[in-house]
Amino acid sequence: EAEVAQSPRYKITEKSQAVAFWCDPISGHATLYWYRQILGQGPELLVQFQDESVVDDSQLPKDRFSAERLKGVDSTLKIQPAELGDSAMYLCASSRGQATTDTQYFGPGTRLTVL
Amino acid sequence: GQNIDQPTEMTATEGAIVQINCTYQTSGFNGLFWYQQHAGEAPTFLSYNVLDGLEEKGRFSSFLSRSKGYSYLLLKELQMKDSASYLCAALDSNYQLIWGAGTKLIIKP
Repeated sequence: EAEVAQSPRYKITEKSQAVAFWCDPISGHATLYWYRQILGQGPELLVQFQDESVVDDSQLPKDRFSAERLKGVDSTLKIQPAELGDSAMYLCASSRGQATTDTQYFGPGTRLTVL
Repeated sequence: GQNIDQPTEMTATEGAIVQINCTYQTSGFNGLFWYQQHAGEAPTFLSYNVLDGLEEKGRFSSFLSRSKGYSYLLLKELQMKDSASYLCAALDSNYQLIWGAGTKLIIKP
């Protein structure tokens, strides 16, 4: 069964450092999502891609966060500089289409701890 | 505004039945998803409802009432491995998922 891949699984960094997360969606899935999830809360959408284009980044803190999906396949989410409040689980998900009822499938996530 | 409400925590006994409720208010509606999330892991898809009624899938069933803005997830023959958080998410008119905070289900022997 195809899966969404993410790395690293865990990341510990000091505040003001740069961190990057990688995601490889299920093959053939055109839509890719980055979410942030704080313990005890539901996922919060940071950015949504349709192929290589950003569809929605309204909740992305653009002063420190950036995301790209250059070839419309895998994607990188970067934080620079990291702050204490960025400690959370960062989830990547993919779905076949955009603006559809297609199910989103999640990768295992990256647990970020900022010290 | 858009909102999803579900209980924060529920406790049930192994072998019993539990119903997790979810109410939603969204701008438009294109269906409702339930996901299971074990501690420290990613959400996994359980069910999708867009029409009124009950959808059964093994030990898990999901119900939707569009007129009431209400859904529930029914878990039968509870097993210890069902201890997890259950996330309700509604798809709005822009096909964006609006997520609840999740219901932590604790199963006791």
